[in-house]
Amino acid sequence: AQSVTQLGSHVSVSEGALVLLRCNYSSSVPPYLFWYVQYPNQGLQLLLKYTTGATLVKGINGFEAEFKKSETSFHLTKPSAHMSDAAEYFCAVSDARGGADGLTFGKGTHLIIQP
Amino acid sequence: KAGVTQTPRYLIKTRGQQVTLSCSPISGHRSVSWYQQTPGQGLQFLFEYFSETQRNKGNFPGRFSGRQFSNSRSEMNVSTLELGDSALYLCASSLATEGTEQFFGPGTRLTVL
Repeated sequence: AQSVTQLGSHVSVSEGALVLLRCNYSSSVPPYLFWYVQYPNQGLQLLLKYTTGATLVKGINGFEAEFKKSETSFHLTKPSAHMSDAAEYFCAVSDARGGADGLTFGKGTHLIIQP
Repeated sequence: KAGVTQTPRYLIKTRGQQVTLSCSPISGHRSVSWYQQTPGQGLQFLFEYFSETQRNKGNFPGRFSGRQFSNSRSEMNVSTLELGDSALYLCASSLATEGTEQFFGPGTRLTVL
């Protein structure tokens, strides 16, 4: 069975500071990993994904994540936080059946940006 | 390309009633998945449909059901509503190839009184 753990239900950073959101996964097969962002009263928007190939993945809005198989991690980073980054962030893992088993999500991390 | 659409956006029902939610996927996407989002349980997988067939279902009671039509549009139904069914219900579509992402709609906010 797959599982995702996001460390820290709330993370607070100052505007312009580094953003680091942590995600660890458990999967019996090579994983497909995703980061989604959710703004209030909206659905989820894909930030980036890892399937195969380069372990450093770049996404939208300046975010990137690095897949580390040895650490079973897929942490999300952004060099300089912006007020508009305040939102809920979800890490997710997918199966190898084209999504038939759905995405397994972490509990989410609420990112707070301090002015 | 139009995104995933869900109707209605908001719904208020009373206990014991039933409800039907609708989802229109992105054109060309044959897979539709449904998720329930609550503050306590987070995002939980309900079921997934591909070419009108349910391929998998999450750990939810039989009161939760769904279907998919030949144009890939999907509906989910919840019968005999309970207070605990109050949640944001999200629909997502994808190409259903290995490793592809799911695209989410804005959700339907269901409140059960």
